[in-house]
Amino acid sequence: GAGVSQSPSNKVTEKGKDVELRCDPISGHTALYWYRQSLGQGLEFLIYFQGNSAPDKSGLPSDRFSAERTGGSVSTLTIQRTQQEDSAVYLCASSLAYRVGAFFGQGTRLTVV
Amino acid sequence: KQEVTQIPAALSVPEGENLVLNCSFTDSAIYNLQWFRQDPGKGLTSLLLIQSSQREQTSGRLNASLDKSSGRSTLYIAASQPGDSATYLCAVLNYGQNFVFGPGTRLSVLP
Repeated sequence: GAGVSQSPSNKVTEKGKDVELRCDPISGHTALYWYRQSLGQGLEFLIYFQGNSAPDKSGLPSDRFSAERTGGSVSTLTIQRTQQEDSAVYLCASSLAYRVGAFFGQGTRLTVV
Repeated sequence: KQEVTQIPAALSVPEGENLVLNCSFTDSAIYNLQWFRQDPGKGLTSLLLIQSSQREQTSGRLNASLDKSSGRSTLYIAASQPGDSATYLCAVLNYGQNFVFGPGTRLSVLP
């Protein structure tokens, strides 16, 4: 596609349920990033994929959070047993190379009730 | 650990003014610095990308400079318009290949 696509755009879930957020990067982009933006807060790094290398998971806040990237393209961020503090906008970005910079999707707004 | 700060946190100006947004970072080991714009409830739109070897980039009414040795970047907006109202974020790409973002400057341009 022309840009980074994220789905769903909005998700409301009950506390304790699992959720999956999807990111479809720009075709051919080898790097993929997930960030979280809580209300009124800055962007918090979660995880980074680069090609076939092992992902950098250093930003994942707890073991309830996991992500995978299938075939070097689409990525899914999974949050298990959601908590109210998980409510945030989850942003995905992709990049071809550091000289090109990153391009962001519109985000998924997650609300845990 | 890389830390990025932005000053001011918020800025309100009348239409037509020229303005400067500031970004500072603590570790100069970066590949590049990127300025983004974020409208309420939206994702990030890339404005300008400056490679670590470059001093400045220009796009229309926007000019961004980079002084890597002092850990500073500025975003200059000429002849501001109400449509420029948004939050402006700077981000540095570390050698560790992870973008670190500043907290943003919330800009309001009054008609």
